Amino acid sequence: AQTVTQSQPEMSVQEAETVTLSCTYDTSESDYYLFWYKQPPSRQMILVIRQEAYKQQNATENRFSVNFQKAAKSFSLKISDSQLGDAAMYFCAQIISNFGNEKLTFGTGTRLTIIP
Amino acid sequence: NAGVTQTPKFRILKIGQSMTLQCTQDMNHNYMYWYRQDPGMGLKLIYYSVGAGITDKGEVPNGYNVSRSTTEDFPLRLELAAPSQTSVYFCASRASAGISTDTQYFGPGTRLTVL
Repeated sequence: AQTVTQSQPEMSVQEAETVTLSCTYDTSESDYYLFWYKQPPSRQMILVIRQEAYKQQNATENRFSVNFQKAAKSFSLKISDSQLGDAAMYFCAQIISNFGNEKLTFGTGTRLTIIP
Repeated sequence: NAGVTQTPKFRILKIGQSMTLQCTQDMNHNYMYWYRQDPGMGLKLIYYSVGAGITDKGEVPNGYNVSRSTTEDFPLRLELAAPSQTSVYFCASRASAGISTDTQYFGPGTRLTVL
């Protein structure tokens, strides 16, 4: 069974600074996908970034990047030049590449506060 | 495209009442999902569907039912509402062909309170 752990319930960062959110996961599968979703107060789940496990190169989307350490089963999210609009809950999630297993496993989330 | 839409946004039910949460997607996605999110927790899968006429249980299916008569719609039915079903419900969909078939796209959620 897959598990996803986010050990930081809350984080805060000064506006324009950089923050890193941690995520570790556990799976016996070798082919899977990892995601970071953002949930602002509106509750909408918004995809921030995705990473394919078979790709060694870390994914990047504008100010968002990941540090994917497959051997360590670690998948952290780095937000550069933090903006007030980045304030939200951030969820790490994993799904294995196996049609028949449709479970997207989520962590418990990290609440990010941006300090003006 | 409107993406994934859900109705209603909010609902209060009395214990024992029934209701249907509606979910529609206009992206022609074959796969659709229902999740619930309890306070301070991540999302848990209730039911999913891999295409019209095909549904299957997820992690927490008890107390719920689903149907999938069309590609676009995936309603979630609560037959006898219980306080334990107080939660925020999310519908999601994903493509089965093309790029990014691993990525699920979420609706805005329905906040349900059972009193």
